[in-house]
Amino acid sequence: EPEVTQTPSHQVTQMGQEVILRCVPISNHLYFYWYRQILGQKVEFLVSFYNNEISEKSEIFDDQFSVERPDGSNFTLKIRSTKLEDSAMYFCASSEWQALYGYTFGSGTRLTVV
Amino acid sequence: KNEVEQSPQNLTAQEGEFITINCSYSVGISALHWLQQHPGGGIVSLFMLSSGKKKHGRLIATINIQEKHSSLHITASHPRDSAVYICAVQWTSGSRLTFGEGTQLTVNP
Repeated sequence: EPEVTQTPSHQVTQMGQEVILRCVPISNHLYFYWYRQILGQKVEFLVSFYNNEISEKSEIFDDQFSVERPDGSNFTLKIRSTKLEDSAMYFCASSEWQALYGYTFGSGTRLTVV
Repeated sequence: KNEVEQSPQNLTAQEGEFITINCSYSVGISALHWLQQHPGGGIVSLFMLSSGKKKHGRLIATINIQEKHSSLHITASHPRDSAVYICAVQWTSGSRLTFGEGTQLTVNP
C-alpha cells in the first residue's frame, strides 16, 4: 500500500537554529499538508499546498515557517529560527483532489527544541 | 467558531466489549474522518464519511448529518485496539481537517 514517508523520525535542535522536515507524499496525490501536535494536545493544521503554491494556512503558520516542493517528489517544511514552543510532532499528509478519498498521513517527525 | 467535540475522553473496556466513541461538530461539513493514533504517534486513517455508515472488519462508523453527530463502534474489542481514536472534520470550504481532542481507549484482557 502506498505510504507517505517522513524523515527524520526524530530531530533535536538548538533554539534559534533552522530545521527542515522532509516528506515524500504519495506519487499521484495532488494536495499536501503539514499538521503538528504539541505533546498532550490535539493535532493542528498548519498549511496545505496544491499546484506548487500554498492553498490555505493557519494562524500558526507565520513568517518563520515555509513550505516547498523542490523536486516534484519531496515536500518540505522549514522552520527558520526555532523556538522552544515549536517542539511537537509534525505530520505530513497527502490526498487526492480536495481529499475526496481521504488522507494518508506520514508517521511523523518528533522535533525537540532545546 | 468551528468546533469538534469527542466523548468520552478516556474509555477502559474489557476484552470482548462493544465500544462506542462519539463525535459532534458545530456547522456543516463535507466529510468526517475517524483516525487512530498509536503510542508511537503515527496516525492511521480508518474511515472517511459524508453520509450513512461504513464498516471495516470490527469497526463501524456512522454519521447523522442533520444532528451533526458521528459514532465509531468497535465490536468484540481486543487489547490491540488500545489506541487514541480521533475524529476530524473537513468543513464545507477547503480540505483542511479540524481535529477533536481524541479518545484514549484501553482494552484490558
